[in-house]
Amino acid sequence: DQQVKQNSPSLSVQEGRISILNCDYTNSMFDYFLWYKKYPAEGPTFLISISSIKDKNEDGRFTVFLNKSAKHLSLHIVPSQPGDSAVYFCAARGGTYKYIFGTGTRLKVLA
Amino acid sequence: DGGITQSPKYLFRKEGQNVTLSCEQNLNHDAMYWYRQDPGQGLRLIYYSQIVNDFQKGDIAEGYSVSREKKESFPLTVTSAQKNPTAFYLCASSRRTGVETQYFGPGTRLLVL
Repeated sequence: DQQVKQNSPSLSVQEGRISILNCDYTNSMFDYFLWYKKYPAEGPTFLISISSIKDKNEDGRFTVFLNKSAKHLSLHIVPSQPGDSAVYFCAARGGTYKYIFGTGTRLKVLA
Repeated sequence: DGGITQSPKYLFRKEGQNVTLSCEQNLNHDAMYWYRQDPGQGLRLIYYSQIVNDFQKGDIAEGYSVSREKKESFPLTVTSAQKNPTAFYLCASSRRTGVETQYFGPGTRLLVL
């Protein structure tokens, strides 16, 4: 049973436009969410996080939005750059030390 | 320069063989984790350790074993009982308290001969 879902396996966006990556979760007890970026054959790199007490967190070109009632979070990248092309994972904290990861969305930014 | 190192980058296992993947961190983190990634799937938790000499099974612990004798080190052994070991293995660590963002190593790809 997938508690964290990223329903779009891939996304293509033109350079300079907005990229929106989505993530849905099923457990209302999740209290902390993270986004990671992963290049092939490398470990994921932490990108941005959000606590369940907030609905938005911004860091430069990256903004994460959390809609608790819909159990939905999204990552916005503006403007998108070719170097943003990677696989993006969302993760939800399901216990003190346990994170549950989604299946990832492959973002391709077209020059 | 603080970080997490994993070795080797590639590892080959013969049938019936146990192999050990190394993970070392110098971030002074208390908690460490092992994940497995398969194509088209998310990261699945194998084992995690909150402190030295303590570890817990994750979601897919069967066929794996770990030890945590030192704070800096959390090796993972893939035993012969793991029938489908081919995957990308990722080690991570985090602080015990506060914002517990996990930081990942570069990964080890395990292949079966």
